[in-house]
Amino acid sequence: DAGVIQSPRHEVTEMGQEVTLRCKPISGHDYLFWYRQTMMRGLELLIYFNNNVPIDDSGMPEDRFSAKMPNASFSTLKIQPSEPRDSAVYFCASSESGRGNEQFFGPGTRLTVL
Amino acid sequence: LAKTTQPISMDSYEGQEVNITCSHNNIATNDYITWYQQFPSQGPRFIIQGYKTKVTNEVASLFIPADRKSSTLSLPRVSLSDTAVYYCLVGDGGGFKTIFGAGTRLFVKA
Repeated sequence: DAGVIQSPRHEVTEMGQEVTLRCKPISGHDYLFWYRQTMMRGLELLIYFNNNVPIDDSGMPEDRFSAKMPNASFSTLKIQPSEPRDSAVYFCASSESGRGNEQFFGPGTRLTVL
Repeated sequence: LAKTTQPISMDSYEGQEVNITCSHNNIATNDYITWYQQFPSQGPRFIIQGYKTKVTNEVASLFIPADRKSSTLSLPRVSLSDTAVYYCLVGDGGGFKTIFGAGTRLFVKA
């Protein structure tokens, strides 16, 4: 298995632009998580899905952030409009029911908003 | 949600055993204890998970006392490549909200 796949790996954009981050979870995993990591705030859970349904989005910082999971093999995290304070590394992770907290993380997308 | 507390940083030398302790006083009955490792510019990587007593795999051991209010990750004979941030977290693995604390930054010296 290729593991969790994220794209793009790096994204540089200007303030006000729309940014879309993509994630392909490990096949067969029924949980998908989006995290954000910064030096100041560490690793934060933004939202997670179970069987493609958003379960908890209380970590999503603002209405500018939205996430979708149209099917079991694809999810997006969108920021519109982007702001410099959104600059961070965004990770996607997936896990399988019955495996406790064993999550598999993707390589991350480093977002820079100028 | 159970909060975890662990040392901010630790130093060690190559070949030594390293023990990182995490406290989780409010752990719930259904919660597992899970440890992750993160290298710079990479996502966290699952190391080990346990519920009680002792768990061992090819990478580490996890010691959990009977009251489960703390746990200790043991890394045998560390090498320079074990320099990383180690996170302890607790949760029930389903319908949960994963909270990563600040982690412990382990620095292994030659």
